[in-house]
Amino acid sequence: GENVEQHPSTLSVQEGDSAVIKCTYSDSASNYFPWYKQELGKGPQLIIDIRSNVGEKKDQRIAVTLNKTAKHFSLHITETQPEDSAVYFCAARTGGYQKVTFGTGTKLQVIP
Amino acid sequence: NAGVTQTPKFQVLKTGQSMTLQCAQDMNHNSMYWYRQDPGMGLRLIYYSASEGTTDKGEVPNGYNVSRLNKREFSLRLESAAPSQTSVYFCASSGTALDLRNTIYFGEGSWLTVV
Repeated sequence: GENVEQHPSTLSVQEGDSAVIKCTYSDSASNYFPWYKQELGKGPQLIIDIRSNVGEKKDQRIAVTLNKTAKHFSLHITETQPEDSAVYFCAARTGGYQKVTFGTGTKLQVIP
Repeated sequence: NAGVTQTPKFQVLKTGQSMTLQCAQDMNHNSMYWYRQDPGMGLRLIYYSASEGTTDKGEVPNGYNVSRLNKREFSLRLESAAPSQTSVYFCASSGTALDLRNTIYFGEGSWLTVV
């Protein structure tokens, strides 16, 4: 089955700096890569996603890049703010839409 | 606009006790899921129901049973709780004809401790 690795597990940045979280996947058939943000005491929420036929996607301060050849994708957050502090999960979907494999999460702390 | 609602929010069980986690969604989604979240392990799929009337095992199904009661409700049962089942459990749902992404929407979580 699919295996998704996520790094780093924790990340601290100064407010205003950029943050990058990286994920790799194993199954070349994976075709959809969502990113979720989980705030303390809440369930994960989708923040951005990318399909395998797209190399980059941006939404205001967040962007996701995908390198299909290397089987890795990354989340970029620019001009970080304290409210960006949360746990972020990458995921990969293979074949049937129920088959979503999550990474182990990155705890991002933005220091004011 | 409740989304995915799961109960209870917190529960402490003794080893060997049974309990059922309840979940309901009001988004007319076809698919529902149960995940568990453990430190350093991410979100692991326990069981899912692709549509009303069907259920399938996920990555970590042992020790659990599920029931898709109707399109809205999907329950998770622990028949004989074990300390290894101490975790945060998330119910989720996805899938309407209008959502080509099949975005997964999560509930707020149920914190379960087995002592």
